[in-house]
Amino acid sequence: AQKVTQAQTEISVVEKEDVTLDCVYETRDTTYYLFWYKQPPSGELVFLIRRNSFDEQNEISGRYSWNFQKSTSSFNFTITASQVVDSAVYFCALRGNAGNMLTFGGGTRLMVKP
Amino acid sequence: ETGVTQSPTHLIKTRGQQVTLRCSSQSGHNTVSWYQQALGQGPQFIFQYYREEENGRGNFPPRFSGLQFPNYSSELNVNALELDDSALYLCASSFRGPGETQYFGPGTRLLVL
Repeated sequence: AQKVTQAQTEISVVEKEDVTLDCVYETRDTTYYLFWYKQPPSGELVFLIRRNSFDEQNEISGRYSWNFQKSTSSFNFTITASQVVDSAVYFCALRGNAGNMLTFGGGTRLMVKP
Repeated sequence: ETGVTQSPTHLIKTRGQQVTLRCSSQSGHNTVSWYQQALGQGPQFIFQYYREEENGRGNFPPRFSGLQFPNYSSELNVNALELDDSALYLCASSFRGPGETQYFGPGTRLLVL
């Protein structure tokens, strides 16, 4: 069985602070894919990144960066110099090699205050 | 925007009724997945359609059914609605393959009274 845990249910920061969202996963597959999605109040899930299990290189995209560590089964997401527009619920998700479904964590609600 | 559209945006039904939700996939995509997201929770996989056939199903009863059409659009049908069916229903389209990424539509908010 696959499982994704996002222990932080809610985080509140002041604009320009850095913030890290944690994601821990469980899977027996040797090949799998990890994702982060952003869900603003409108409800649509916005794709942010996909990571393959065989590629542990960290990635940076503007103010966003992702730290993938297989040894600890974690795929954490950092927002640098947060902005009010970053306020949303962020979901980490996992897809196994043979499966076609995404298993989502419970989400982390990020509130960035001006 | 992903190019995935869903209709209607909102819907109110009463217990025992039936509902049909619709989804148009992004151009070039051949796979549609449906998810149910209860308030304050992560999305839960309902099922996926590929080549007009169900291709994987989550832990949902048979009263949740679907269709995929030749143009890759899809419908989600729910019979005998229950109060717990109140949720945001999300459709995602993708191009089937090892590294497929699912792109989501805006969702349909269903309220069952």
